[in-house]
Amino acid sequence: DQQVKQNSPSLSVQEGRISILNCDYTNSMFDYFLWYKKYPAEGPTFLISISSIKDKNEDGRFTVFLNKSAKHLSLHIVPSQPGDSAVYFCAASPGSSNTGKLIFGQGTTLQVKP
Amino acid sequence: KAGVTQTPRYLIKTRGQQVTLSCSPISGHRSVSWYQQTPGQGLQFLFEYFSETQRNKGNFPGRFSGRQFSNSRSEMNVSTLELGDSALYLCASSSMGLAGARSYNEQFFGPGTRLTVL
Repeated sequence: DQQVKQNSPSLSVQEGRISILNCDYTNSMFDYFLWYKKYPAEGPTFLISISSIKDKNEDGRFTVFLNKSAKHLSLHIVPSQPGDSAVYFCAASPGSSNTGKLIFGQGTTLQVKP
Repeated sequence: KAGVTQTPRYLIKTRGQQVTLSCSPISGHRSVSWYQQTPGQGLQFLFEYFSETQRNKGNFPGRFSGRQFSNSRSEMNVSTLELGDSALYLCASSSMGLAGARSYNEQFFGPGTRLTVL
């Protein structure tokens, strides 16, 4: 079963506008969430993360919001730039302190048009 | 600090063969995880090693195995290759602390090894 879901396979936005990528999860035991960005033929690059004890984390142009009651998180990119065009994965860490396992969504391909 | 490195970057094998992939984590990182990425299944967790011990395992057959050395470098092995094993294999390292210690699972990925099985 897909415990982490990214329901939008793709998203297209204009340069300078806001990009909002969404992610839903089913397991309430997840305690840490991460966003990764991936270019073709490269490994995922860590972007930003959030602990389940917070509802918002900001780093420059990137902000992640967590709504635990809805089991939903989102990544906001403001302003979007053409270099942000990539596949974005959200990932969740099971609620255990001794695991290196991450569960990934299927990814959303973001295209930022100049 | 050097990032996670993986060798080889590309590999072509035929069905029935076996393959060994290598991963060197970021210096100081003791946790190494392996993932398989395919177009249909996305990123799937294979296993994780910490201090030379397999700490977690995903839902893959026993043909997939791994090990970790005392310097934290890790290898994964796939025996009796099948066409469906064609994928990008990614290694990630983390600075997570000892088992039982509270730390966050922030993983840093290598560039991957692209395996093609013919």
